[in-house]
Amino acid sequence: GESVGLHLPTLSVQEGDNSIINCAYSNSASDYFIWYKQESGKGPQFIIDIRSNMDKRQGQRVTVLLNKTVKHLSLQIAATQPGDSAVYFCAENLSGGGADGLTFGKGTHLIIQP
Amino acid sequence: NAGVTQTPKFQVLKTGQSMTLQCAQDMNHEYMSWYRQDPGMGLRLIHYSVGAGITDQGEVPNGYNVSRSTTEDFPLRLLSAAPSQTSVYFCASSYSLPGGYGTSTDTQYFGPGTRLTVL
Repeated sequence: GESVGLHLPTLSVQEGDNSIINCAYSNSASDYFIWYKQESGKGPQFIIDIRSNMDKRQGQRVTVLLNKTVKHLSLQIAATQPGDSAVYFCAENLSGGGADGLTFGKGTHLIIQP
Repeated sequence: NAGVTQTPKFQVLKTGQSMTLQCAQDMNHEYMSWYRQDPGMGLRLIHYSVGAGITDQGEVPNGYNVSRSTTEDFPLRLLSAAPSQTSVYFCASSYSLPGGYGTSTDTQYFGPGTRLTVL
């Protein structure tokens, strides 16, 4: 999950296994959440989003779960592939889409082992 | 569409020098923003714009200026570079405010980044 400091948390999984990346968000007023994937040397890429009126949302091989009670967000990736290796960021925004943009977590480095 | 483009990809400056990081998008997006990314940290918002002629400060605006004369372009200016500004800079755009309308048009698209080193 997310943490303070210079070193990113790392999650190492076997190819083909499912992975779960966790994120604790800070603002209870946030009502929009996004997961981004960032490959080395590239900009963040949108994966999936969820609004606070939902607990779960599914995409292709990815599922986002939201627990507003404990301000926790998770990203589940099914049947991980080598191309899933990247840093994953969660981001939150306030109700109505604050113009000052998203607040990003520090990221988790997902490593897929063959 | 080219999406969001940034130039240069890499830049080395000496302390006190000024320069402009270019950002352009061809998706007719109203909302554009600049972030910096430092090792082990998430992206932090520097400045943003909700449309041509309108800009505002984000979380870490000191030492940077922006302007938005056209919908397509959103340059970031470093007035007098400092070593603390060594970072990777990302420009992003979206049709509307992030999360504003709950549709895919809220999605922010990021450029490939500019890696800046200030000596």
